[in-house]
Amino acid sequence: GAVVSQHPSRVICKSGTSVKIECRSLDFQATTMFWYRQFPKQSLMLMATSNEGSKATYEQGVEKDKFLINHASLTLSTLTVTSAHPEDSSFYICSAQPVAGTYEQYFGPGTRLTVT
Amino acid sequence: AQTVTQSQPEMSVQEAETVTLSCTYDTSESDYYLFWYKQPPSRQMILVIRQEAYKQQNATENRFSVNFQKAAKSFSLKISDSQLGDAAMYFCAQGGDGQGAQKLVFGQGTRLTINP
Repeated sequence: GAVVSQHPSRVICKSGTSVKIECRSLDFQATTMFWYRQFPKQSLMLMATSNEGSKATYEQGVEKDKFLINHASLTLSTLTVTSAHPEDSSFYICSAQPVAGTYEQYFGPGTRLTVT
Repeated sequence: AQTVTQSQPEMSVQEAETVTLSCTYDTSESDYYLFWYKQPPSRQMILVIRQEAYKQQNATENRFSVNFQKAAKSFSLKISDSQLGDAAMYFCAQGGDGQGAQKLVFGQGTRLTINP
């Protein structure tokens, strides 16, 4: 149980284009999903918290207009990197929380984004 | 602000031996949750063990156990009978900021190597 999928696993896009990453909770409903960015050999950096049906809460320093998050249903959240640039190249990970108040998160397998 | 500190960037252990990974945290809250996550080379984050702060009993999951010292704000992970598959980055995390945010704060991680 508690499986989270993420698609695509790898994506290469050209500078200036946009790319969408999907995060799905497969066997549970998640009122809250999270998006992280992880640089090589570093810890996870929280980008935003996404609640179903409401606007995402972004961490300080994360550009809302660049990293668009939509949480349209209890099983799906999407992250769109708009007008991507090479510095946006990174490993992006989503997670989902099955039960509010427990802080327990289950993670997707991650997406490697390369912007050329 | 909450902080989580893992003071051991790298650890190594012989296969079948026991190893302990350290984690300290700082919070003003009395009710919170603590977690250890494992990130193997595949980069899939896996929940290893969780501890609720209000429980005095240390959590145990098979070969994994914690030593939770609430007064000292310490939450170490003990891995018994280490196996080659235990090789990974291990992240300590804390949830519960007293303001309703469901996010986790992660430590910097400890890279664990298992020597055959």
